[in-house]
Amino acid sequence: GQNIDQPTEMTATEGAIVQINCTYQTSGFNGLFWYQQHAGEAPTFLSYNVLDGLEEKGRFSSFLSRSKGYSYLLLKELQMKDSASYLCAVRVAPSGNTPLVFGKGTRLSVIA
Amino acid sequence: KAGVTQTPRYLIKTRGQQVTLSCSPISGHRSVSWYQQTPGQGLQFLFEYFSETQRNKGNFPGRFSGRQFSNSRSEMNVSTLELGDSALYLCASSLGDRNTEAFFGQGTRLTVV
Repeated sequence: GQNIDQPTEMTATEGAIVQINCTYQTSGFNGLFWYQQHAGEAPTFLSYNVLDGLEEKGRFSSFLSRSKGYSYLLLKELQMKDSASYLCAVRVAPSGNTPLVFGKGTRLSVIA
Repeated sequence: KAGVTQTPRYLIKTRGQQVTLSCSPISGHRSVSWYQQTPGQGLQFLFEYFSETQRNKGNFPGRFSGRQFSNSRSEMNVSTLELGDSALYLCASSLGDRNTEAFFGQGTRLTVV
């Protein structure tokens, strides 16, 4: 089966940096996605990694190590509005367009 | 550009009934995927349609079915509803090509009583 693990909950302080880890064991790998989901809203796309290394996009960065089956999402200069669930998802098939397999999400609370 | 539209937003049904949910993808997107989201299981893939054909299917019972129309709009049907079907049902659209991101709708919150 497919297994994607993330911490269930995290708390961090406004202005700080937080790292949300994701480990995966899947039958194949064709890219890893991070989504943000505020309560009662749709998930919104944050980042995509298919090669090893760091992808930076403003306050958000995402890292991938395929050999370790590991990714993290780094959020800098935390703001209260960053309080949300962060979903890690893997596209499993070796090629082509296949559905995403999601982790259960990490609920991040940003406190003053 | 309009986003992904799901209707209705909220629905309450009784056990044993059936329900149909609708999803209109972003204009030009040919792939529509459906997911079930519950607090305990997270987002679980139901099925994906591309150009009116089911291209992928998750591990859900046959009570869950779907279809896609020529304009890419998709419907999902659940028959003989069970209490455990209470969930947020999300639809995601994409171009359907490799490595493209999926855009999610607001979802339909289904409550089965």
